[in-house]
Amino acid sequence: SQQGEEDPQALSIQEGENATMNCSYKTSINNLQWYRQNSGRGLVHLILIRSNEREKHSGRLRVTLDTSKKSSSLLITASRAADTASYFCAIGRDTGFQKLVFGTGTRLLVSP
Amino acid sequence: DAGVTQSPTHLIKTRGQQVTLRCSPKSGHDTVSWYQQALGQGPQFIFQYYEEEERQRGNFPDRFSGHQFPNYSSELNVNALLLGDSALYLCASSGGQYQYFGPGTRLLVL
Repeated sequence: SQQGEEDPQALSIQEGENATMNCSYKTSINNLQWYRQNSGRGLVHLILIRSNEREKHSGRLRVTLDTSKKSSSLLITASRAADTASYFCAIGRDTGFQKLVFGTGTRLLVSP
Repeated sequence: DAGVTQSPTHLIKTRGQQVTLRCSPKSGHDTVSWYQQALGQGPQFIFQYYEEEERQRGNFPDRFSGHQFPNYSSELNVNALLLGDSALYLCASSGGQYQYFGPGTRLLVL
């Protein structure tokens, strides 16, 4: 299966702490993307990392990719209550117009 | 600039009925993809439209069909609804590598 699998399924932390989510996959990829979803609504694109990249930063987000282990991690530093959401990794296999294959997500709860 | 819009926001149908969901892509985007998200699961790819043609399809039965109009907006049609079709249906548009998602239509089949 191409599906990414996130770990842990759920994560509960306090504001100010860091949150780390992992994604594993089974096939070759062109890129891996992370999305956030609030309360079963639309998904918001967070960051895309290409297969030839190892690390990428965007604000408080840090994504790493290890193609030899077929895994990626998303780190959210200094978390806030507003970061409470479900986070999904999505695998993009093709260049150009592509479908995304999503994992089952990590539900993050950040308590004040 | 409006993002991706979907209508309706919520819908209740009964088994065997047919439903049409609508999506308007982000301005400047010409590709529309549809995803189904069951409760507690990640989105599953249904199909993608470009230049009014279906160019990729996921593992969904023929009861799921779609259409793209010359203005790039799109419809998703589901015939002979089953209880298992209850889900959040997401539309995503793209003009390049990134996909932008709409808020979704939540369909409940009774």
